[in-house]
Amino acid sequence: EVQLLESGGGLVQPGGSLRLSCAASGLIFSNYAMSWVRQAPGKGLEWVSTVSGSGGDTYYADSVKGRFTISRDNSKNTLYLQMNSLRAEDTAVYYCAKGSVGGYGPDYWGQGTLVTVSS
Amino acid sequence: DIQMTQSPSSLSASVGDRVTITCRASQGIRNDLGWYQQKPGKAPKRLIYAASSLQSGVPSRFSGSGSGTEFTLTISSLQPEDFATYYCLQHNTYPRTFGQGTKVEIK
Repeated sequence: EVQLLESGGGLVQPGGSLRLSCAASGLIFSNYAMSWVRQAPGKGLEWVSTVSGSGGDTYYADSVKGRFTISRDNSKNTLYLQMNSLRAEDTAVYYCAKGSVGGYGPDYWGQGTLVTVSS
Repeated sequence: DIQMTQSPSSLSASVGDRVTITCRASQGIRNDLGWYQQKPGKAPKRLIYAASSLQSGVPSRFSGSGSGTEFTLTISSLQPEDFATYYCLQHNTYPRTFGQGTKVEIK
């Protein structure tokens, strides 16, 4: 059974940094692209970033480009999101999501970790 | 960027009703679309992939159709556990984009 467990969320001041982690189990981690998707309180889903299975290709939403960095450690079955220069509008639940075979978009999602950016 | 316009934003329906939700893409995306269900406080769950393929374990009352720019999610007979918010997601190009969501409420 695929399991994705996010961690690293919390309260951070504007301009601060945070690193999220997503520990994966029940899958051959390096075979799949992985993504981060966020949801601001009471709002819809917003795609944030995707990394290929090898880690060689990365993609970002314009809203986070230059501030966030996605990476993965396939030896540890772990996905990361380094978030710098955080803004109030980055406040959200951040989900990690596993890409599916054939590139059909995410099929499994973690339960999310809350990031709150506030002074 | 590809815009996904989802409608309606909300609807009220009764158990047993047939429900249809639509997503329109601002440009053609072949069949690169998925549908997700999200309940309050929970992670999204994929229902449909490749526009019309049913995710394993998902009840057959859910179906998807469409290709190109117009897509539909249909629930043939709404059940109590189906009251939730539904999102479409295009994975044809980056940036990936979601529809705004459709909240299905009890009438």
